[in-house]
Amino acid sequence: EAGVAQSPRYKIIEKRQSVAFWCNPISGHATLYWYQQILGQGPKLLIQFQNNGVVDDSQLPKDRFSAERLKGVDSTLKIQPAKLEDSAVYLCASSLNGANVLTFGAGSRLTVL
Amino acid sequence: AQSVAQPEDQVNVAEGNPLTVKCTYSVSGNPYLFWYVQYPNRGLQFLLKYITGDNLVKGSYGFEAEFNKSQTSFHLKKPSALVSDSALYFCAVRTVNYQLIWGAGTKLIIKP
Repeated sequence: EAGVAQSPRYKIIEKRQSVAFWCNPISGHATLYWYQQILGQGPKLLIQFQNNGVVDDSQLPKDRFSAERLKGVDSTLKIQPAKLEDSAVYLCASSLNGANVLTFGAGSRLTVL
Repeated sequence: AQSVAQPEDQVNVAEGNPLTVKCTYSVSGNPYLFWYVQYPNRGLQFLLKYITGDNLVKGSYGFEAEFNKSQTSFHLKKPSALVSDSALYFCAVRTVNYQLIWGAGTKLIIKP
């Protein structure tokens, strides 16, 4: 089966600019996750979708981050405006349901200058 | 508070020797426990999980992990390390509310 697709793989922007990341999960996976992974740390959940509904966005900085999964398939994560501390790898993952094993994409590495 | 601890930032092992990467947890209820591995410039990959049953679970690439309820631990093990096992290893626990709590990761270095 095809894996979790993410794009772009790398992005360099200046602070206060905006950026968007795209994720296409494994076909049939109802649950989609966006994680932020800062170098040397474990993944931090930003948002979890079940189909097109939000299950958990408690750690999403909503003043600058937004995410959507309109049709319950692919998803977009946006940052506007970006800050230096947003430099990280943004990982998308999907699972059949919320209790199952996660399959991760390769990640999108963001550098904010 | 619910948490996962990986007490070692880095573990160094000689090739061919057994390896152990430690993980302890603190959650309410019966946990689901996972190990994931992250190779350089790649996303995380699932290694193995414990949900119920036999305390020793076997996973990918010859890895296994032992669940110890009394010590609230889930240490990752392999009898004979390979240089290709060098990577970042993450322990995670799923709570009864389906939240996934991650450890900070342990860098495993296998020296030839």
